[in-house]
Amino acid sequence: GAVVSQHPSWVICKSGTSVKIECRSLDFQATTMFWYRQFPKQSLMLMATSNEGSKATYEQGVEKDKFLINHASLTLSTLTVTSAHPEDSSFYICSARNSEYSNQPQHFGDGTRLSIL
Amino acid sequence: KQEVTQIPAALSVPEGENLVLNCSFTDSAIYNLQWFRQDPGKGLTSLLLIQSSQREQTSGRLNASLDKSSGRSTLYIAASQPGDSATYLCAVNGNKLVFGAGTILRVKS
Repeated sequence: GAVVSQHPSWVICKSGTSVKIECRSLDFQATTMFWYRQFPKQSLMLMATSNEGSKATYEQGVEKDKFLINHASLTLSTLTVTSAHPEDSSFYICSARNSEYSNQPQHFGDGTRLSIL
Repeated sequence: KQEVTQIPAALSVPEGENLVLNCSFTDSAIYNLQWFRQDPGKGLTSLLLIQSSQREQTSGRLNASLDKSSGRSTLYIAASQPGDSATYLCAVNGNKLVFGAGTILRVKS
């Protein structure tokens, strides 16, 4: 149980393109979803936290107009990288939690590798 | 601000050896601590989760311990195998998950 699907797994696009990444909880309702970013040989850094039906909370230094997050249902959150540039190339991973309580575990997707040419 | 440190950064051992990975954190006000495995270019696989009230958790050849008061956790891998080669991440949960930089493990056959 507790499966999180992330799509696409890999995307290559030209500079200036907007890219949408989907994160779905397949067998549970995700009260809260999280988006992380991982640069090569570095660890995961939390970008934002989203609760279903409300605006996402962004971490310090993350541009909310650059990284648009939508959590319109209890099973789907999307991250849109707007007008992507080469410096946005990274590995993006989502996670989902079936509870509003922070002490419950997060379940992770398989990640999306974004390459901007 | 929570900071998580993992030592060593990289480790290379011969097959069959027992090994210990270390994780330390600065703020002991945590709900739980989790160890993950990450293969190159892949997502995270959860290995063990230890609640703040627990001292250790075991799964097969893996054993994780937690000493919340001293801000330390260890992941013990018994009888290592080449298939254990991966990056191991420690993550501390105190409202948010804060990850360490990981230990890159290589088990040589």
